[in-house]
Amino acid sequence: KQEVTQIPAALSVPEGENLVLNCSFTDSAIYNLQWFRQDPGKGLTSLLLIQSSQREQTSGRLNASLDKSSGRSTLYIAASQPGDSATYLCAVGTGANNLFFGTGTRLTVIP
Amino acid sequence: NAGVMQNPRHLVRRRGQEARLRCSPMKGHSHVYWYRQLPEEGLKFMVYLQKENIIDESGMPKERFSAEFPKEGPSILRIQQVVRGDSAAYFCASSPGAGYTEAFFGQGTRLTVV
Repeated sequence: KQEVTQIPAALSVPEGENLVLNCSFTDSAIYNLQWFRQDPGKGLTSLLLIQSSQREQTSGRLNASLDKSSGRSTLYIAASQPGDSATYLCAVGTGANNLFFGTGTRLTVIP
Repeated sequence: NAGVMQNPRHLVRRRGQEARLRCSPMKGHSHVYWYRQLPEEGLKFMVYLQKENIIDESGMPKERFSAEFPKEGPSILRIQQVVRGDSAAYFCASSPGAGYTEAFFGQGTRLTVV
């Protein structure tokens, strides 16, 4: 069964700092990997989708990488802003048509 | 193009009552997924549906929970005889296809059982 782990569970950084969030998964037989953002009491916003054949995806200040063989993905956030404060979720898509989620990293960017 | 719409956003039910949660997928999406997020836990898959068909219900509790996605209208997640342990955020996602496609999530329904 697929297990997804996110480290660290919480992270606090000063504004302007670059940061990396980590995601690991146990079964490398995945279709894709998706990073989401969740604000308190709100839904999930899709940030980046990486297909299993891809190594990375970029959107603005965000860059996500995927190393399927080692079961790892990272989300890099450049020049962090207070508005980036949220919980970031990593989810692995499998052929079983559902997503396996990590428990998230709660990010706080201090002005 | 409106996103995935869920209603109600908040629902309070007394123990033993029924809860009905609705989800309208994005336009053009025929695949719907329901997830549950318990307090301080990650999202867990419940059920995957296409129009008029349940494709995968491996994450659904065996009793009291059911889901449907009729030919017309929204997908419904129904919880009968709710208990306190059903209190959670229930999220719906939709996609245009399965497997390689991106999933888009609604705002969720927060169910509180009192």
